[in-house]
Amino acid sequence: KNQVEQSPQSLIILEGKNCTLQCNYTVSPFSNLRWYKQDTGRGPVSLTIMTFSENTKSNGRYTATLDADTKQSSLHITASQLSDSASYICVVSDRGSTLGRLYFGRGTQLTVWP
Amino acid sequence: DAGVIQSPRHEVTEMGQEVTLRCKPISGHDYLFWYRQTMMRGLELLIYFNNNVPIDDSGMPEDRFSAKMPNASFSTLKIQPSEPRDSAVYFCASSFRGSGGYTFGSGTRLTVV
Repeated sequence: KNQVEQSPQSLIILEGKNCTLQCNYTVSPFSNLRWYKQDTGRGPVSLTIMTFSENTKSNGRYTATLDADTKQSSLHITASQLSDSASYICVVSDRGSTLGRLYFGRGTQLTVWP
Repeated sequence: DAGVIQSPRHEVTEMGQEVTLRCKPISGHDYLFWYRQTMMRGLELLIYFNNNVPIDDSGMPEDRFSAKMPNASFSTLKIQPSEPRDSAVYFCASSFRGSGGYTFGSGTRLTVV
């Protein structure tokens, strides 16, 4: 069964600290993996998208890694800010285009305290 | 560009009433998606269109739900009759050539009482 599991479900950290969010998937065949940030009351915003051949991609203080062999991805946030408080959603696609099926994780709720 | 525009932002309706949610995708985008988000199930894809044609509606929960895209700049998601379990946030998203970078709207929070 194709699934995407994220951990932890929720996380609280202090401003300035680093954190790492995890995403494990069983989707096959794999096409790409995306990380989205969703602020409360807003739609998800894309952070990164990685294909099979990519194992690291950065977007400012956000760095995503992908291990296609173990079917694991992580999102590392460096020097966290209050504005990083949001839900982070991992999405895996099983085809090379939007014609493929998307599988969504339930998200990790990150709270950054001052 | 104003991004993907959804209306209304909030909708409260009584059980049994018809509800229509609206979406204006980003100009030039040829894919449009409707999603539903709940605490219990997270984000779920309901239906998507390519060049105004419905491609996959397997996520539509039942016949009470219908979606149309009469032209490249407008889509509707209709629920008739609405039920309390339809309460959720409904998102519209669009993309260009399935490039992988979806742009989501701000969502419509639907409450059915």
